[in-house]
Amino acid sequence: AQSVAQPEDQVNVAEGNPLTVKCTYSVSGNPYLFWYVQYPNRGLQFLLKYITGDNLVKGSYGFEAEFNKSQTSFHLKKPSALVSDSALYFCAVRNTGGFKTIFGAGTRLFVKA
Amino acid sequence: GAGVSQSPSNKVTEKGKDVELRCDPISGHTALYWYRQRLGQGLEFLIYFQGNSAPDKSGLPSDRFSAERTGESVSTLTIQRTQQEDSAVYLCASSFLVSNQPQHFGDGTRLSIL
Repeated sequence: AQSVAQPEDQVNVAEGNPLTVKCTYSVSGNPYLFWYVQYPNRGLQFLLKYITGDNLVKGSYGFEAEFNKSQTSFHLKKPSALVSDSALYFCAVRNTGGFKTIFGAGTRLFVKA
Repeated sequence: GAGVSQSPSNKVTEKGKDVELRCDPISGHTALYWYRQRLGQGLEFLIYFQGNSAPDKSGLPSDRFSAERTGESVSTLTIQRTQQEDSAVYLCASSFLVSNQPQHFGDGTRLSIL
């Protein structure tokens, strides 16, 4: 069975500092991994995905994520946080060849000025 | 429009009434998903449609919930005999029928059961 864990309900970081939002996953076979962001009263917006190849993937708004197969992790990172990055972040996993997507519980990011 | 459109954006109804939520996917997206998001929580998978194949209904929480899709177009999620625990935001998403493609979400329908 597929599962996703986001161990932190909330992450607090000062503006200009690097940020990391953690995600670990469990899936039989090879995964497709996604990060989404949700702003208040809006749907989720796609940030980036890992399909295959380079373990470091770059996405929208300066975000990147590192795929680590041995640790089954896909942590979201950004070198320098902005106040406008404050939002709810979701990690998601899907089996290659499948469509059912499992989302983590979400991590709320607060960036303080 | 360019994105996924959901209507109504807000729905308030009395316990026991039936409600119908609508989703218009992005044109050309043959995969369509419904999720439920309770206040402050993550996404709970309900159902997805993949082209002409049978839908995966494994996430529907009870037989009061049903969904239909007309071809590769509009989908409706129906909740019969609503209960207070049905109060949530219902999100619809669509994507191309390629499993490495991300989903595009609508802004959801906020359902409140009095």
